[in-house]
Amino acid sequence: AQKITQTQPGMFVQEKEAVTLDCTYDTSDPSYGLFWYKQPSSGEMIFLIYQGSYDQQNATEGRYSLNFQKARKSANLVISASQLGDSAMYFCAMREGLSNSGGSNYKLTFGKGTLLTVNP
Amino acid sequence: GAGVSQSPSNKVTEKGKDVELRCDPISGHTALYWYRQSLGQGLEFLIYFQGNSAPDKSGLPSDRFSAERTGGSVSTLTIQRTQQEDSAVYLCASSLPGEVIGEKLFFGSGTQLSVL
Repeated sequence: AQKITQTQPGMFVQEKEAVTLDCTYDTSDPSYGLFWYKQPSSGEMIFLIYQGSYDQQNATEGRYSLNFQKARKSANLVISASQLGDSAMYFCAMREGLSNSGGSNYKLTFGKGTLLTVNP
Repeated sequence: GAGVSQSPSNKVTEKGKDVELRCDPISGHTALYWYRQSLGQGLEFLIYFQGNSAPDKSGLPSDRFSAERTGGSVSTLTIQRTQQEDSAVYLCASSLPGEVIGEKLFFGSGTQLSVL
């Protein structure tokens, strides 16, 4: 089973509107972290936002917020007031398995991405 | 440099040739990762280094792929006897010691490999 599922291959949004990009994940580990990255046409992956599995509040970073629904295993990215420069691929990723007793994990597992196009 | 640097940015090679891809991580970052991104796909994990050692090579697709890291800094990914299915963007990332679950990865711009 895929660990990270992004069901929207492409999304369109009008400039200045809000958009939600979906991400569901699969893990049995109680300790994990969820990340969103943006990849513009230049190719570089840019970190946007992070949510830890034990965080009580939804993460926010400027115009980005993460709608974290733990029971549903979803971590949707919300972009408010879309800008033309937001047009890019967006990837959801997860790192599993850092328990209180130690045992580090390091690998980020990525979804297939969503291509967001912001229309003027 | 301020960010992760990869070279070359583009590489075109003939099937059967060997290629070397280089990654220069952010200074002080001891964790280094290689990922592969095929057209329209997500990122596929290849290998992880902590310092000069690679505790996880499980993502390397075949024994034609190898990677090394020297001096806890620069890493080289080598693909021997390249095949057309090796065509992809190879992304390198680095982070501070990768033992904190929220540690974010900093990526380079990648090497676009085309095997003719």
